[in-house]
Amino acid sequence: EAGVAQSPRYKIIEKRQSVAFWCNPISGHATLYWYQQILGQGPKLLIQFQNNGVVDDSQLPKDRFSAERLKGVDSTLKIQPAKLEDSAVYLCASSLTDRPRAYNEQFFGPGTRLTVL
Amino acid sequence: GDSVTQMEGPVTLSEEAFLTINCTYTATGYPSLFWYVQYPGEGLQLLLKATKADDKGSNKGFEATYRKETTSFHLEKGSVQVSDSAVYFCALKTNAGNNRKLIWGLGTSLAVNP
Repeated sequence: EAGVAQSPRYKIIEKRQSVAFWCNPISGHATLYWYQQILGQGPKLLIQFQNNGVVDDSQLPKDRFSAERLKGVDSTLKIQPAKLEDSAVYLCASSLTDRPRAYNEQFFGPGTRLTVL
Repeated sequence: GDSVTQMEGPVTLSEEAFLTINCTYTATGYPSLFWYVQYPGEGLQLLLKATKADDKGSNKGFEATYRKETTSFHLEKGSVQVSDSAVYFCALKTNAGNNRKLIWGLGTSLAVNP
C-alpha cells in the first residue's frame, strides 16, 4: 500500500515569495491533516479536512496561509507571502476517518522542509 | 488546556543500554496516548498506543503503560540498538467534545552509540 506522498521534499525561497506544497493521502483516507513542525518542537496542526470540508483551521494563519482539498483527495498548502518564521517542515498526514471515540491512526508523509531566507 | 510534557533531550546511550523517556500529560476526560518515532530523513511513524488506563502498548521491543493515577505514559526499552536512534514524540488525543486533534510533546532525541 502506498503511503502519504508529499512534494517537493525541500524548498528554499526568499521572504515575501510564495510557495505551495502538495500532498496525496493514502487511498480511501477521508481525513487529511497539514502540520507545521518547527525545529525542536512537536508538530502543530494547521488544518484538518474531512473529505473536502474543513474541520479545524483554528491555528492556520489565514492572512498568509491557505489550503484546499477540492476533490476530497489530494491537497495543496500555500504560503503567500512567506516570512522568515515560516521556516519549518510541513507534514501531511491522513487517516481513514475521524470518528469520535474511535482510534484512527494518522499516517504521515516524509514532509517538505521549507527554508525562508 | 490539554498538554503533554516529555523529558528533554538529547539522550545518548550505548548499545544494549536500558531506555526510559518520560512523558506526562494533562487532559480532561479519558485521552488516548501515543508514542510516535521520527527516524532521520523520514516522516513520523506510530510506534505504539494505549487507549485506556492500565493498557500497555508495545512494538519493536518498546513498551509504555497508560498510568492514569500518575498521568504518565513513559516509553521504555530494555536493550537499545543503534537503529533506534531517532526523535520520539509523546502525544495524546482527547475523546471528549469536538476538539479531537493530537496534542504533541516537544520530542526527545535519542542517539545510540555502538
